[in-house]
Amino acid sequence: GNSVTQMEGPVTLSEEAFLTINCTYTATGYPSLFWYVQYPGEGLQLLLKATKADDKGSNKGFEATYRKETTSFHLEKGSVQVSDSAVYFCALYNAGGTSYGKLTFGQGTILTVHP
Amino acid sequence: DAGVIQSPRHEVTEMGQEVTLRCKPISGHNSLFWYRQTMMRGLELLIYFNNNVPIDDSGMPEDRFSAKMPNASFSTLKIQPSEPRDSAVYFCASRYRVGETQYFGPGTRLLVL
Repeated sequence: GNSVTQMEGPVTLSEEAFLTINCTYTATGYPSLFWYVQYPGEGLQLLLKATKADDKGSNKGFEATYRKETTSFHLEKGSVQVSDSAVYFCALYNAGGTSYGKLTFGQGTILTVHP
Repeated sequence: DAGVIQSPRHEVTEMGQEVTLRCKPISGHNSLFWYRQTMMRGLELLIYFNNNVPIDDSGMPEDRFSAKMPNASFSTLKIQPSEPRDSAVYFCASRYRVGETQYFGPGTRLLVL
């Protein structure tokens, strides 16, 4: 079946530091990949996505590249801000099999950025 | 667009009481999802509907939980009777069509005493 594994958190950084949150997946075929962000007290919102191999999704200074050869979709940002403090979820959508219509989420990674 | 609307935003109840959570999806979206989020179990999909029909309810924890979608603009998740272990944040999400982005509501924070 489908699965998503994120790096263990929480992650604590100083402002302007470089961020990487690792995400690897298991799926057959060609899934679409997503990063969602959840700010404190809010629901999840889409941060970026990629629908095919070698695609790069980007938004708000965040980037992630769909790497089929390593089954990865790592999230990066060159210079984090305090306002980036949130929980980040990696997710995949695979049209095949019993997962039809559903997203498979990773466990989430808590990011805290200090001034 | 107002986004996905959930009510109430907060609910505190006593064990054994009935709890009803409500969701209004984004207009024009034909899929609706109910999730539960806890520290211990993370984000869990409870049930999802497509065109108002339940497609997959395998995540519904037990018979105390039920969900309905009587029309395209409204869904409920009911817990009867509620238990302390049901305390969680419950999210509703909607989607225009399969494969596209899910849009989440702000959640209902449920505390069962």
